[in-house]
Amino acid sequence: DAGVIQSPRHEVTEMGQEVTLRCKPISGHDYLFWYRQTMMRGLELLIYFNNNVPIDDSGMPEDRFSAKMPNASFSTLKIQPSEPRDSAVYFCASKGLASGASQRKWNEQFFGPGTRLTVL
Amino acid sequence: AQRVTQPEKLLSVFKGAPVELKCNYSYSGSPELFWYVQYSRQRLQLLLRHISRESIKGFTADLNKGETSFHLKKPFAQEEDSAMYYCALNTDKLIFGTGTRLQVFP
Repeated sequence: DAGVIQSPRHEVTEMGQEVTLRCKPISGHDYLFWYRQTMMRGLELLIYFNNNVPIDDSGMPEDRFSAKMPNASFSTLKIQPSEPRDSAVYFCASKGLASGASQRKWNEQFFGPGTRLTVL
Repeated sequence: AQRVTQPEKLLSVFKGAPVELKCNYSYSGSPELFWYVQYSRQRLQLLLRHISRESIKGFTADLNKGETSFHLKKPFAQEEDSAMYYCALNTDKLIFGTGTRLQVFP
């Protein structure tokens, strides 16, 4: 398995533009998480899904942010319009049964490589 | 309230020195705790989980329920240990601490 896949790896855009970040979780995982990492605030959970349903979106900073999971193998995080303060590394993570019963017991999350977003 | 506290933003040591990265948690139930590591510009990866009581790359961490702590220790730090370390508490989601950057100087 290739692990959690995120695209793009780097995104540079101008303020006001729409940004879409993509994530493919590990096949069979039933949980998907979106995180944002900045120097100032560290690692923040934005939203997470269970079986494609959003469970907790309390970490989503404001209405400019939205996330979807149309099926078990794909999720998007959209920022519209983007602002310079959105510049950060965005990580996607997944966990679930596919990694084996023992790992399910440990509840390990597997992280993607991240998308480094720069909003000018 | 469910919370993870890592009091040190930065910990600098010389190679060969002992290392202890502190982590305290607040949780009413029976905690499930992890340490994640992030090397420069790489993804987070699981380092340790308290249930397994294992030693990875020379690191160990013991859960102390009385002190509500899960400190990460290594007796002799190596330069390649330089990274960002996050302590995390598992509920239905992971609650991360703010992280400690470990710098190991030659």
